Amino acid sequence: GIQVEQSPPDLILQEGANSTLRCNFSDSVNNLQWFHQNPWGQLINLFYIPSGTKQNGRLSATTVATERYSLLYISSSQTTDSGVYFCAPGDYGGSQGNLIFGKGTKLSVKP
Amino acid sequence: DAGVTQSPTHLIKTRGQQVTLRCSPKSGHDTVSWYQQALGQGPQFIFQYYEEEERQRGNFPDRFSGHQFPNYSSELNVNALLLGDSALYLCASSSGFYTEAFFGQGTRLTVV
Repeated sequence: GIQVEQSPPDLILQEGANSTLRCNFSDSVNNLQWFHQNPWGQLINLFYIPSGTKQNGRLSATTVATERYSLLYISSSQTTDSGVYFCAPGDYGGSQGNLIFGKGTKLSVKP
Repeated sequence: DAGVTQSPTHLIKTRGQQVTLRCSPKSGHDTVSWYQQALGQGPQFIFQYYEEEERQRGNFPDRFSGHQFPNYSSELNVNALLLGDSALYLCASSSGFYTEAFFGQGTRLTVV
């Protein structure tokens, strides 16, 4: 099955800093989502982005499906951005589109 | 518009017991998937239900079973609980396949 690698595994930022999170995947995908998991475990949808670029406020994401990677940009970070960020491509190969999660990037934003 | 809801929020069970977790999908969604998330790991796919049938299954033993009802809600059952089954169980719903999935708040299961 598809393999997902996220980097960096841990990231500590000062409030106001910018960051880029990367997600590499090993096979063709036909859907990809980015999530933010809050301390209570809730997975919050950030982007549904099988390809191309999207922006939502201080966050933006780009997926280059042909090169098998996706990037999540966080600008002017805030303490409320802290948590774990997951990339989850859909497993294209013969399945019904279940999501394959990486191990995540744990982000800590300090005031 | 209610999102995906799961119950209960927390649960403590004894090794060897059986447990049932419940999920109501987001309005308009007909596909429900279940995931297990161990501490410090990303969620792992258990199975997916569509039209009241299990359509896809991850690498989980037969102790894990499920059901989908005509109103699209779903249950996850785990028999003969092991200590290693302690995890956050997440339900996701979507409209068909390869579309955006939305997750519930999860059920945190502790097996003692």
